[in-house]
Amino acid sequence: NAGVTQTPKFQVLKTGQSMTLQCAQDMNHEYMSWYRQDPGMGLRLIHYSVGAGITDQGEVPNGYNVSRSTTEDFPLRLLSAAPSQTSVYFCASSYRGRGLKNTGELFFGEGSRLTVL
Amino acid sequence: GEDVEQSLFLSVREGDSSVINCTYTDSSSTYLYWYKQEPGAGLQLLTYIFSNMDMKQDQRLTVLLNKKDKHLSLRIADTQTGDSAIYFCAGTATDKLIFGTGTRLQVFP
Repeated sequence: NAGVTQTPKFQVLKTGQSMTLQCAQDMNHEYMSWYRQDPGMGLRLIHYSVGAGITDQGEVPNGYNVSRSTTEDFPLRLLSAAPSQTSVYFCASSYRGRGLKNTGELFFGEGSRLTVL
Repeated sequence: GEDVEQSLFLSVREGDSSVINCTYTDSSSTYLYWYKQEPGAGLQLLTYIFSNMDMKQDQRLTVLLNKKDKHLSLRIADTQTGDSAIYFCAGTATDKLIFGTGTRLQVFP
């Protein structure tokens, strides 16, 4: 099972460049989210989506855009990269339907390490 | 909104018990979680506790929940070198899962 797949795993950008981090899941999960992980800061929520066509902001949304045109995909766009966006980015998904399977458990991708020079 | 706090580091000797603590602010979380992150990897769910429980035991893991003090702890019995990792507690806030800063557990022989 693929689970949550993130690409690329590593990326170096120059200040001002734009790029898209890709995230795909094959578990038919309604909920998807993006976090960034920085030393001493834990994981901070950037954006999330509770279903196709629906997105919302998390704790640190500035400088990032998302869209959710399909259940499977949830790309994260950096519009004009800044050194402060150097981080490790994680995509995560979970099941939000009815029943005992809905424990809110998040399934994480392996992360995308981004460096902005 | 939800705020979750943890100490940053814990160092224990192999074979001893480890206790990782967490405090949270939002008492409406239905579930509270412990995730484990090994080097270079994403997070994986270790265990969770339903908010109406006080304790949950799962093999070497014991989760204690004190709702009055909004305190969650994870005890790992007979800690092994393979338990060295970062441990995150997390609570729910409406549609969001909010994580603590993570506790880096180092196990030495």
